[in-house]
Amino acid sequence: LAKTTQPISMDSYEGQEVNITCSHNNIATNDYITWYQQFPSQGPRFIIQGYKTKVTNEVASLFIPADRKSSTLSLPRVSLSDTAVYYCLVGGAGSYQLTFGKGTKLSVIP
Amino acid sequence: NAGVTQTPKFQVLKTGQSMTLQCAQDMNHNSMYWYRQDPGMGLRLIYYSASEGTTDKGEVPNGYNVSRLNKREFSLRLESAAPSQTSVYFCASSRLGQGTSGNTIYFGEGSWLTVV
Repeated sequence: LAKTTQPISMDSYEGQEVNITCSHNNIATNDYITWYQQFPSQGPRFIIQGYKTKVTNEVASLFIPADRKSSTLSLPRVSLSDTAVYYCLVGGAGSYQLTFGKGTKLSVIP
Repeated sequence: NAGVTQTPKFQVLKTGQSMTLQCAQDMNHNSMYWYRQDPGMGLRLIYYSASEGTTDKGEVPNGYNVSRLNKREFSLRLESAAPSQTSVYFCASSRLGQGTSGNTIYFGEGSWLTVV
């Protein structure tokens, strides 16, 4: 299973774009990259998933370079409600033992 | 749409007592999981069930047992609770094995367990 590395914490002001980068140097050919968001006292929830290039949905964008050894979650114009922990996971269709590290704690400042 | 439902939400146990956490999903998912999360930590996998009728150990299985009762339900049992098992427990499910995408996991709201 690919090991991931992401910053422990980040601060941002409201209205700014936030980019959180995750490194996954030993990603396998059939692995996808998935990001989750966790608010205090709640279970993590799926944000976005991608395999290569760029994926965008109503919540975020995910940028994956050609070598796929890293990925960047982009949150446009964050608000206070985006304050949460964000987890980057790497795994494929056969990945049952997905590892959630400590994630990145994003604090949005008014 | 309920998604993943787990009960109870809060429980206080005395050391040595036993209890079962119940989990059910209504998304017709093949796979189910139990995680624990300690303060300031990520989630650690306790047990998982890749499909109905199978269960496997995760990262931290000691002190726990599981039962995949049917496709919908996956329970976690603490036979003799210890203070080290004080934690928040999350049940989850996924459609692993269907399609070619990665494994997207859907979580319940959590069960707060305190062992005194």
